[in-house]
Formats: sequence, C-alpha cells, structure tokens
Amino acid sequence: GEDVEQSLFLSVREGDSSVINCTYTDSSSTYLYWYKQEPGAGLQLLTYIFSNMDMKQDQRLTVLLNKKDKHLSLRIADTQTGDSAIYFCADSGDDKIIFGKGTRLHILP
Amino acid sequence: NAGVTQTPKFQVLKTGQSMTLQCAQDMNHEYMSWYRQDPGMGLRLIHYSVGAGITDQGEVPNGYNVSRSTTEDFPLRLLSAAPSQTSVYFCASSYSRVGGETQYFGPGTRLLVL
Repeated sequence: GEDVEQSLFLSVREGDSSVINCTYTDSSSTYLYWYKQEPGAGLQLLTYIFSNMDMKQDQRLTVLLNKKDKHLSLRIADTQTGDSAIYFCADSGDDKIIFGKGTRLHILP
Repeated sequence: NAGVTQTPKFQVLKTGQSMTLQCAQDMNHEYMSWYRQDPGMGLRLIHYSVGAGITDQGEVPNGYNVSRSTTEDFPLRLLSAAPSQTSVYFCASSYSRVGGETQYFGPGTRLLVL
C-alpha cells in the first residue's frame, strides 16, 4: 500500500532555515500536503502542492516536489519559536489521504 | 460556522465497554474521515466516507464501526474497547475526496482504555 516517510526530529537555530523532507510511494498522487500540529491541538493545513508543480512559495514557506524521486520538502525561512511543532507530510491518492509519522521541529535559541 | 466538532474531549473506558465518538461538521462537506494518532505512529486512517450512506475502511479499521446517515455527522463506534485503542482520535472533513481544498480537523478526543 501507499507509504509516506519522514524523519522524526529536526533541531534548528532560531533565524535559520528549516528543511523538512518527505518521501512517498504512491504514483497516482494528485496533491501533497504539509500540516502543522501544535501541542494539544488538531492538524492545521499549512500548504499543498499539485503533483504537476515543482515548487510553490507562500511567504516563509517553500515546497519543492521532485516527482521522479517521489520526494517532497518544506523549507521554513527565518525559523521562529512559534514554528516549533510537529509537521506532517501527507499524500492523496484514490479516496484517501495518507500521513507520514510527523517531524518534530525543535527551535534552538 | 463551528467547523468540525468532536465530543467528548476526554473519555476513560474499561476494557469491553462500548462507546461512540461523535463528529459533526456544518460546512456541507462530502468527505469525512477518522484518524487515530499514537506516539511515533503519526496519523492512521481508520474509516472514511465520501458522502452520506457511503463508508469505507482505512488502514486500521478493526475494532471500529462507522455510519454516515447524514452529511453532517460521522460517528465512530467502539464495540468492545481494548487497551490498544488508547489513543487520540481526530475527525476531519473536506469538500471533496482529495484535492487542494483544506481538510479541516476537529480538536480531537483523548481516549484511555483501562
């Protein structure tokens, strides 16, 4: 079945860029998503990219998609303490959205 | 709009008890789904529905039942709770099956099975 993989932890200094990576297996993906979860809260959609796009930029967020390698990344520029959260990559295919296990982003002072 | 609401927020059950987790949305969304979130496991899809009267199994459906008699409601039933069902449960909805539309998540139900 479909699978989405991402690293579990990332530590970044405040002000630096954070890059969270994700790989997926589903060839029929139409949309790929990045969600943010803050402690004790549900998931919030950060951004998404259509599968025929290579890049999408939205303020401090840049999403890169390499469809050939099935690799997705999220870059957060000028990382702030408020960016501390778990970030989930998700892949849409058929009728389902499959989530990765989440990457916990820790901000160092 | 209230968005996606879930009740209860917290629940403690004994092994073998049954209960229903409620989920409702007031956005006229066709697509609704239930996930469970466990440490180190991310979100796993339990069941989903593409419209009233239509449901299907996700990745981890065993031990759970769902029904979708109305567009607004998508309850999740635990028929005989087990400690392995201790988790945080999230309900989500969106306009279509999959797409660029935002999938809205409820605040979650924290379930402890003793």
